[in-house]
Amino acid sequence: EPEVTQTPSHQVTQMGQEVILRCVPISNHLYFYWYRQILGQKVEFLVSFYNNEISEKSEIFDDQFSVERPDGSNFTLKIRSTKLEDSAMYFCASAGRGYSNQPQHFGDGTRLSIL
Amino acid sequence: RKEVEQDPGPFNVPEGATVAFNCTYSNSASQSFFWYRQDCRKEPKLLMSVYSSGNEDGRFTAQLNRASQYISLLIRDSKLSDSATYLCVVAFSGGYNKLIFGAGTRLAVHP
Repeated sequence: EPEVTQTPSHQVTQMGQEVILRCVPISNHLYFYWYRQILGQKVEFLVSFYNNEISEKSEIFDDQFSVERPDGSNFTLKIRSTKLEDSAMYFCASAGRGYSNQPQHFGDGTRLSIL
Repeated sequence: RKEVEQDPGPFNVPEGATVAFNCTYSNSASQSFFWYRQDCRKEPKLLMSVYSSGNEDGRFTAQLNRASQYISLLIRDSKLSDSATYLCVVAFSGGYNKLIFGAGTRLAVHP
């Protein structure tokens, strides 16, 4: 079964540094998402991306965050100047269509630890 | 009021038991509903979509009551491998399928 892959599995970064999280969505999917989950809390939506542009973003997704699809396969989340509170699991997801009844498939996440 | 509310549990049940989880959502514009399961420190995995007429997948039965904005999941004949956190998830049409997650209900099945 095709799957979403994410790298790295664990990223440790000093506060204030830039970090890029990478995702390879399922190949024929068109809709891409980032979510995060702070330890012990619920999964939270960050951003959705379609047709090479952001379609929706949450309040969490401020100017420090950006997303990009630099080629036909990768989908990246960049945090420009990391803060301690950015420590979380970051999940990438993709869907074949943007209809609300289309389930999203999640990657196994990147654990981001900010020191 | 939280957008999606669930009893956090934990539910501790013996193997073979039947267990039910409930979930309420606040936004009546919610269009689609799902149950995901999440193992400790792993990604959410789709368990099943929830349809208006209710639906069943093996030992799992999901129900939706739009009037009460209530979703349920019933697990029959619990297995040890069912131990996980069960996430109630809603999505909105026209929102590019942004998923709103509940905080999850933890299930522990013991021998």
